[in-house]
Amino acid sequence: QVQVIQSGSELKEPGTSVKVSCKASGYTFTTHTVVWVRQAPGQGLEWMGWINTHTGIPTYAQGFTRRFVFSLDTSVSTAYLQINSLKTEDTAMYYCAREGDGDFAPLDHWGQGTLVTVSS
Amino acid sequence: EIVLTQSPGTLSLPPGERATLSCRASQRVSSSYLAWYQQKPGQAPRLLIYGASSRATGIPDRFSGSGSGTDFTLAISRLEPEDSAVYYCQQYGDSPTFGQGTKVEIK
Repeated sequence: QVQVIQSGSELKEPGTSVKVSCKASGYTFTTHTVVWVRQAPGQGLEWMGWINTHTGIPTYAQGFTRRFVFSLDTSVSTAYLQINSLKTEDTAMYYCAREGDGDFAPLDHWGQGTLVTVSS
Repeated sequence: EIVLTQSPGTLSLPPGERATLSCRASQRVSSSYLAWYQQKPGQAPRLLIYGASSRATGIPDRFSGSGSGTDFTLAISRLEPEDSAVYYCQQYGDSPTFGQGTKVEIK
C-alpha cells in the first residue's frame, strides 16, 4: 500500500535552514509528482509547488520562489523541502503529498506533516 | 490565479442531517479539475472527491460532489459525529489553489 512518511518536528532559530524529508513507498516513486503544502497555525492550506519526480524539475508557487528549495533522491524514493534564511513567519506544518495519475490530478496520498517552528 | 471562495465559514448541524458546502471559483475550472478534502484536527487532509463528483477510494457514499464551471458543491448526508472536520476545495488545473475551508460541527 502507498505510504508517505515525513521527518519529525523541527525547532530552528531565525536565519538558519531546515530540510524536511518525505519518503514514499508502495509505488514507483518516479511516476508521480510530489507536491508541498503549507499550513500556518490555525490557517488553511497553501499550495507551495511541486517537483516532477521523473525529471527532477521543481515548480514554485508565487511567494515560494526565493528561500524554498525542492529536491529529490530517487535512490531512496525521497523528496526534500529545504527552507533557507528562516523567518518566524515560516512557522507552520509542512505537508508533502503524492499527486494522482494523469497530467492534472488531485493529491491522493499525504504525509503526516512536519511541524517547523522558528523561534529565538 | 483562480480564487476559490467557500461558504459558509462554519456549519453546525445535528447528527443525521444533511450538510451542503459551497465552493465558488473566480474563473471557470478546467475540465472539472475540482477536488474536496477533509481535515480532522491534528491530521493531514484526506482526499474525498475528485473530478468534481467522483469519490476517492474508500469514501462512503454519504459524501457526494457536484457542479461545473465556477460553482461546486459537497454534500454530506446522514451526518455522523466523525464528520466533524474542516473541508477544503481545491482546483488542480494549471496553477492549483485551495479554498479557505468550511468547518463542519456536528452538535
